[in-house]
Amino acid sequence: GAVVSQHPSRVICKSGTSVKIECRSLDFQATTMFWYRQFPKQSLMLMATSNEGSKATYEQGVEKDKFLINHASLTLSTLTVTSAHPEDSSFYICSALTGDRGRKDEKLFFGSGTQLSVL
Amino acid sequence: LAKTTQPISMDSYEGQEVNITCSHNNIATNDYITWYQQFPSQGPRFIIQGYKTKVTNEVASLFIPADRKSSTLSLPRVSLSDTAVYYCLVGAGGGADGLTFGKGTHLIIQP
Repeated sequence: GAVVSQHPSRVICKSGTSVKIECRSLDFQATTMFWYRQFPKQSLMLMATSNEGSKATYEQGVEKDKFLINHASLTLSTLTVTSAHPEDSSFYICSALTGDRGRKDEKLFFGSGTQLSVL
Repeated sequence: LAKTTQPISMDSYEGQEVNITCSHNNIATNDYITWYQQFPSQGPRFIIQGYKTKVTNEVASLFIPADRKSSTLSLPRVSLSDTAVYYCLVGAGGGADGLTFGKGTHLIIQP
């Protein structure tokens, strides 16, 4: 299957600092990537849809100024948690879509996740 | 978006076949059904995807009845390493549209 690399795997930061998480599709081009967060023992919650060359689409309740998404190339999307606070501590996961969206051959592959701990 | 319902948890033993069923009564004509596996502190891993009837790959089979209102993931001869959370997703074009994860099924395999 396709490989999605997510970095860093773990980050600890002080309250008020910003943290950038990178998501790369290593062996395919992804026009669409997705960002999720997951709290312990809970399911994944979609935060936003990242489209190459355009603004991200955020889910209801997700602050776009808090979670900045940049999808500058077909292989890289970044999520920046700005002015992080302890309540932002969570497991963040990215995913990338292979193929053209809406085609029956498209599939979704996930990064390994980033555990963010804000002190 | 088609909502999915799965059992919260299941238990089985090594060497057994495990079947996990997902209900998706509101599935749309263009929707595909995709199953993912997630281990703690890892991203979900694609297992299998289908539209109708039966799909089989090297790790699992997916059974989809004619009305497509449910699907069953079948794991043959499970091992301890199959202990994980399994999610069923339904969406257009390969299950990627919307990407609403349900609660998933926590499968626990015992020796």
